[in-house]
Amino acid sequence: QVQLQESGPGLVKPSETLSLTCTVSGGSISSYYWSWIRQPPGKGLEWIGYIYYSGSTNYNPSLKSRVTISVDTSKNQFSLKLSSVTAADTAVYYCARGHSHYDILTGYYKGIWFDPWGQGTLVTVSS
Amino acid sequence: SYVLTQPPSVSVAPGQTARITCGGNNIGSKSVHWYQQKPGQAPVLVVYDDSDRPSGIPERFSGSNSGNTATLTISRVEAGDEADYYCQVWDSSSDHYVFGTGTKVTVL
Repeated sequence: QVQLQESGPGLVKPSETLSLTCTVSGGSISSYYWSWIRQPPGKGLEWIGYIYYSGSTNYNPSLKSRVTISVDTSKNQFSLKLSSVTAADTAVYYCARGHSHYDILTGYYKGIWFDPWGQGTLVTVSS
Repeated sequence: SYVLTQPPSVSVAPGQTARITCGGNNIGSKSVHWYQQKPGQAPVLVVYDDSDRPSGIPERFSGSNSGNTATLTISRVEAGDEADYYCQVWDSSSDHYVFGTGTKVTVL
């Protein structure tokens, strides 16, 4: 059973770079879309982006200029970097495995769903 | 960008049926996924691809999707079903992923 675990600093200063790592255990990081999702305190979920095991990435346009997601298949880990953070970036950050699927009849791509998720890690942006 | 709208809250008595809606423009043409999030915990997938259930999810959880509304139905509601529920889709026009606004289910 695949498990994901986030790690990284819980406190980041404004204008600095937030860095988190997700370690995948119980399965290989090969295949699947490895994703980051965040949730500000008391608010809803926001997709940040994903990286395919081969290295291709896709980012939320609202964060694209500040986000970098990378993968280290040798360590079964993938990472998130978010630059120039502000208080608005304070949130619980989740990593998750993304499953792609296709229409049975047409073969058209239908996007991905996220399962499982890591337990999440709270990152606070404050001086 | 694509917007998914959910009612902020739904209240239901134990043993009854809860229906949580997720509204979006022509959402029936998309594949909808649903997540349950209990307080202080990570979200858990309860329905994927409109109506399929992951292993381990009770048959009481079911989904449907047509027109401009997708629905997550929880039958024979139990106290343990009290949680926030989020829908999610892929916006093909932008190749990005969108979550609904979330619905808090309260068991009376």
